[in-house]
Amino acid sequence: EDKVVQSPLSLVVHEGDTVTLNCSYEVTNFRSLLWYKQEKKAPTFLFMLTSSGIEKKSGRLSSILDKKELFSILNITATQTGDSAIYLCALHEGSSNTGKLIFGQGTTLQVKP
Amino acid sequence: GAGVSQSPSNKVTEKGKDVELRCDPISGHTALYWYRQSLGQGLEFLIYFQGNSAPDKSGLPSDRFSAERTGGSVSTLTIQRTQQEDSAVYLCASSSQGSNQPQHFGDGTRLSIL
Repeated sequence: EDKVVQSPLSLVVHEGDTVTLNCSYEVTNFRSLLWYKQEKKAPTFLFMLTSSGIEKKSGRLSSILDKKELFSILNITATQTGDSAIYLCALHEGSSNTGKLIFGQGTTLQVKP
Repeated sequence: GAGVSQSPSNKVTEKGKDVELRCDPISGHTALYWYRQSLGQGLEFLIYFQGNSAPDKSGLPSDRFSAERTGGSVSTLTIQRTQQEDSAVYLCASSSQGSNQPQHFGDGTRLSIL
């Protein structure tokens, strides 16, 4: 059965720290892996990864995928209080025409001033 | 508006009542998805619509749940004879056509069953 496991489940850091969030997965037919940030309401899209070893970057956030070891990491450097949120990893499985995403449990990040 | 719009934002109802949740996707997006997020749990897929194709209903938890998408745009998720375990945030997402397009989410409807 396809599944996504995120770690840690929660994390507390201070402003300026660097954090690494982990996402491991098991899948029959990989299509893509996505990261979302969820504050109070809608998850907002961060990155979509399809190829191994190619880093995606947006400001202080970056992410990379390892399709051999079946994991992805999301890095946040110089954290700010506004980075406090739940970070969701999701897998897009490709053996059928369904567009459904399989989500991990999320990592709750709290950044203290 | 630019984003996915859902209504109502909050719904409180008594056990046994029917509820209807609405989703208005991003203009031009052909794919529409419903997910459920229960307290302390990840998002759980419910149903997927793509253009005129038959929907993927594989995630619907029981026959009390149904969804429609009229005219390829607005969708409604209906829960009949609600139970307390139906309490959750129901999130809608849409994406543009293509095999690998990211899904963009609405703010969700928080459903509470008393």
